[in-house]
Amino acid sequence: DAKTTQPPSMDCAEGRAANLPCNHSTISGNEYVYWYRQIHSQGPQYIIHGLKNNETNEMASLIITEDRKSSTLILPHATLRDTAVYYCIVRVRGNTPLVFGKGTRLSVIA
Amino acid sequence: NAGVTQTPKFRVLKTGQSMTLLCAQDMNHEYMYWYRQDPGMGLRLIHYSVGEGTTAKGEVPDGYNVSRLKKQNFLLGLESAAPSQTSVYFCASSYSGRDGGELFFGEGSRLTVL
Repeated sequence: DAKTTQPPSMDCAEGRAANLPCNHSTISGNEYVYWYRQIHSQGPQYIIHGLKNNETNEMASLIITEDRKSSTLILPHATLRDTAVYYCIVRVRGNTPLVFGKGTRLSVIA
Repeated sequence: NAGVTQTPKFRVLKTGQSMTLLCAQDMNHEYMYWYRQDPGMGLRLIHYSVGEGTTAKGEVPDGYNVSRLKKQNFLLGLESAAPSQTSVYFCASSYSGRDGGELFFGEGSRLTVL
């Protein structure tokens, strides 16, 4: 079973920041938080991951709470091309298989 | 550099027929995975491989077999297809090193079993 809880859907206005929440209250000390997204019916795409510090890359920022029980993925300026299903996954760093939940369907609206 | 390539992209089978899906990666990755995705659902792991000549079962392995004879290829076989195996199949690969972990996915193979 997936170890995360995400809202099933969210809307965001184009050009605004999209903040996608994820609860992972049972996360253990050696587990990372990963985010992937799936645009339409393409293969999932890696976005970002983190352990306990906030992380930022060219695609997004990841904010992890101090107790690590929840996190937020931030797309700073959402575009129509960011419409996708976003998956939050916790796993031990390395190559244990990803376990996907149902994710959050983000709709960016013009 | 093609990344992860899946063949075929579309296939229609009749119940009881067999087929093989091919996944090829050109990134020299050790780890490879097969997932299936049903409408409105997340991906579920079928089988995976941690290196050439090795395979392991995932969440939903029944009705499927796999082989990893070459490092760059991971084959998924359906010996006797059933309508319940109608799905989109995704292959993925990843590094095995300390800095690995990010999965690279193919574009999917859409299988319909009548």
